[in-house]
Amino acid sequence: NAGVTQTPKFRVLKTGQSMTLLCAQDMNHEYMYWYRQDPGMGLRLIHYSVGEGTTAKGEVPDGYNVSRLKKQNFLLGLESAAPSQTSVYFCASSRDAFYTGELFFGEGSRLTVL
Amino acid sequence: QQQVKQSPQSLIVQKGGISIINCAYENTAFDYFPWYQQFPGKGPALLIAIRPDVSEKKEGRFTISFNKSAKQFSLHIMDSQPGDSATYFCAAIPYNTDKLIFGTGTRLQVFP
Repeated sequence: NAGVTQTPKFRVLKTGQSMTLLCAQDMNHEYMYWYRQDPGMGLRLIHYSVGEGTTAKGEVPDGYNVSRLKKQNFLLGLESAAPSQTSVYFCASSRDAFYTGELFFGEGSRLTVL
Repeated sequence: QQQVKQSPQSLIVQKGGISIINCAYENTAFDYFPWYQQFPGKGPALLIAIRPDVSEKKEGRFTISFNKSAKQFSLHIMDSQPGDSATYFCAAIPYNTDKLIFGTGTRLQVFP
């Protein structure tokens, strides 16, 4: 029972490089989210999706792009990485944010930008 | 921007003691108040949640109290155990949105 799977788990980039984080969920959830977690700042929403083919901006979307081409996958892209994007990134999914509020999180992807 | 403020940032409690974490929100447009628990190296997981029409909810040793007039809600962990050592996040869902807004987190350490 995989739940939410994130790849890769660790990555080191140089400033200006690009990369994509992949999130896959096997619970047939409509909603998917990308958060970043930084010390003292909690979890901040980057982008989210309310269904296949849709995306929307969260609290801190600048410098990131996302795509939801398939219901089970949500990709987070960094076109030109900056040291400020060093963080732990969490993907989450939910059946319905309005009624339950229960998000199921992956185990995180630790990104370091040098 | 709607915000959720959480305190304390860190908390040290002896085994058997009560752990109390507080959160406050800045306006009344919130619909649902979950608490998430995160162990090191793992993603957060839902612990317990409350809606604003209820003043208190208890699940085992965990209790949420909600004070709508003060715009505050808190998590109480009774008989705290070393296994409760984790980071706790409060959160809220503003009305008519699909976003979950998190507090800044409280790192709880329970010593035997």
